Amino acid sequence: EAQVTQNPRYLITVTGKKLTVTCSQNMNHEYMSWYRQDPGLGLRQIYYSMNVEVTDKGDVPEGYKVSRKEKRNFPLILESPSPNQTSLYFCASSAGGSNEQYFGPGTRLTVT
Amino acid sequence: GQNIDQPTEMTATEGAIVQINCTYQTSGFNGLFWYQQHAGEAPTFLSYNVLDGLEEKGRFSSFLSRSKGYSYLLLKELQMKDSASYLCAAPGLGGYNKLIFGAGTRLAVHP
Repeated sequence: EAQVTQNPRYLITVTGKKLTVTCSQNMNHEYMSWYRQDPGLGLRQIYYSMNVEVTDKGDVPEGYKVSRKEKRNFPLILESPSPNQTSLYFCASSAGGSNEQYFGPGTRLTVT
Repeated sequence: GQNIDQPTEMTATEGAIVQINCTYQTSGFNGLFWYQQHAGEAPTFLSYNVLDGLEEKGRFSSFLSRSKGYSYLLLKELQMKDSASYLCAAPGLGGYNKLIFGAGTRLAVHP
């Protein structure tokens, strides 16, 4: 089954404790992206990757890091989480260009 | 600037027709996507328009006018399961790599 998986699905953590949210896709997609979704603001792009070792900033990259060492994986790293990073996070992948994006199930992160 | 506007909430009756509008001001590309998102779930793709006009796909149709920066999603024969948020998205300055999403329209379908 074609899918995008994310782990963990739910996470409660404290300010400053580094965390990683994993994302993996099994569709051999070149393009992957991370979004955060906050009430009233819609989906905002954090980072995206067009291929292995090729990443670039989205609209809200501050406080986040990503890496793309393998085609299937695109982890999101929060080196020092802060309460304003409490949000619902979605990973997505696509064959690129004007093709549809496939979204993972989401990770609900709470930073206290 | 880059901006996408859509109504925050709409309500409709089961079996009826509803039109969800989206206006956009983005640079460069002119295609537009619609996604459906049920509460607590991931967005799923509904449609993509790159040419002007109406594209029909079962009960759902999507319209695009590139010159007016306007699109709408038409849902016919509404069912309770159509209660969801509907997101429109268009390429931003970075093209299709950097989609700009609207805040979404939350549709409530009542019996």
